[in-house]
Amino acid sequence: GAGVSQSPSNKVTEKGKDVELRCDPISGHTALYWYRQSLGQGLEFLIYFQGNSAPDKSGLPSDRFSAERTGGSVSTLTIQRTQQEDSAVYLCASSLTRTDTEAFFGQGTRLTVV
Amino acid sequence: AQKITQTQPGMFVQEKEAVTLDCTYDTSDQSYGLFWYKQPSSGEMIFLIYQGSYDEQNATEGRYSLNFQKARKSANLVISASQLGDSAMYFCAMREASGNTGKLIFGQGTTLQVKP
Repeated sequence: GAGVSQSPSNKVTEKGKDVELRCDPISGHTALYWYRQSLGQGLEFLIYFQGNSAPDKSGLPSDRFSAERTGGSVSTLTIQRTQQEDSAVYLCASSLTRTDTEAFFGQGTRLTVV
Repeated sequence: AQKITQTQPGMFVQEKEAVTLDCTYDTSDQSYGLFWYKQPSSGEMIFLIYQGSYDEQNATEGRYSLNFQKARKSANLVISASQLGDSAMYFCAMREASGNTGKLIFGQGTTLQVKP
């Protein structure tokens, strides 16, 4: 596809369940980022991938959060035992390299934990 | 620690007028980049403009210009000739070269409403 694709676009889950959020970056983009946006707030960095490795996981809020990237392409963000405070929009961005002046964002996954 | 501050939670502007959205930043790095993104109600993040810390001229992209005042650590976005479609949330962001990851630090955003 031409842009960054995220799925699902919306996810409602019960407290305590696990969820997986998927990101398909632009083909050839080596840098991939996950951000979280709570209602009416700015974006909060979660994790950075360079290829398949994650040299910066400093933004993951707890050990319930994990992410992986395979084949230098698709990335999955997993949240285990979801809590209500996990409700937010999760945005994925990719760029050709980490120093590019533009990162392309996906449409986001709106996660609601009930 | 690096920080981006946007002090205007909401702004109004009349259609066809210019508007300035404020952004100040804090960093100890000498090399960094400053970004502005637009987020319409649909939710996507749209890149608008970039300014590098060593760029001597202010960045411009069409109706967008970045008023970069390095000594004051400010990077205000100026939108000229506002259009109804400019109504959105606007985020200022910074990337530090020393971080070596390319991650962006975002401000809290400013909601802009353009009045007809």
